[in-house]
Amino acid sequence: TQLLEQSPQFLSIQEGENLTVYCNSSSVFSSLQWYRQEPGEGPVLLVTVVTGGEVKKLKRLTFQFGDARKDSSLHITAAQTGDTGLYLCAGASPGNQFYFGTGTSLTVIP
Amino acid sequence: DAGVIQSPRHEVTEMGQEVTLRCKPISGHDYLFWYRQTMMRGLELLIYFNNNVPIDDSGMPEDRFSAKMPNASFSTLKIQPSEPRDSAVYFCASSELAGGHYEQFFGPGTRLTVL
Repeated sequence: TQLLEQSPQFLSIQEGENLTVYCNSSSVFSSLQWYRQEPGEGPVLLVTVVTGGEVKKLKRLTFQFGDARKDSSLHITAAQTGDTGLYLCAGASPGNQFYFGTGTSLTVIP
Repeated sequence: DAGVIQSPRHEVTEMGQEVTLRCKPISGHDYLFWYRQTMMRGLELLIYFNNNVPIDDSGMPEDRFSAKMPNASFSTLKIQPSEPRDSAVYFCASSELAGGHYEQFFGPGTRLTVL
């Protein structure tokens, strides 16, 4: 059972455009993380959000945790080619079970 | 720190053979995770350890898979016998519980191909 659904699954945009990736679940998570994975490498942690409604900014990336702690979004402003990669959300349940989302593959075209 | 170290980086074997994947976590981290990644199923948690003790192995697909952590600096994932459907990239990750949540650091992965 896949607890975390990400959308879109694939996204191809021009450099300079904005985009939003969504991570949705019917389950409540005690924390939620976003990772980026480049080809041939392991995922790298970008951010952890723990409070419902929390918004964190990392340069051009804005992460939001839903009020009910069931969903999250990642917004990228003025995408660059270096943003290309697989974006994964990951949630920790209150019982410390850990689940990764289905992933969003982003390609930024120069 | 060198980060999480995995070996080998690539493994090609024939169906029925035993495969052993190795992982050295980041020093001081007390959690170690094994994941499998495929296009069809994404990133799946297989098993994780806390202080060298297996905590949750519910993701291990079947008895052909086993994992050990004999000490804080080494873990293995063994598949015996291997099957073509085991072909995937296997990741090891380590973390420490910080602020009530895990922040996992992944190794570069082992790409396994079973012919």
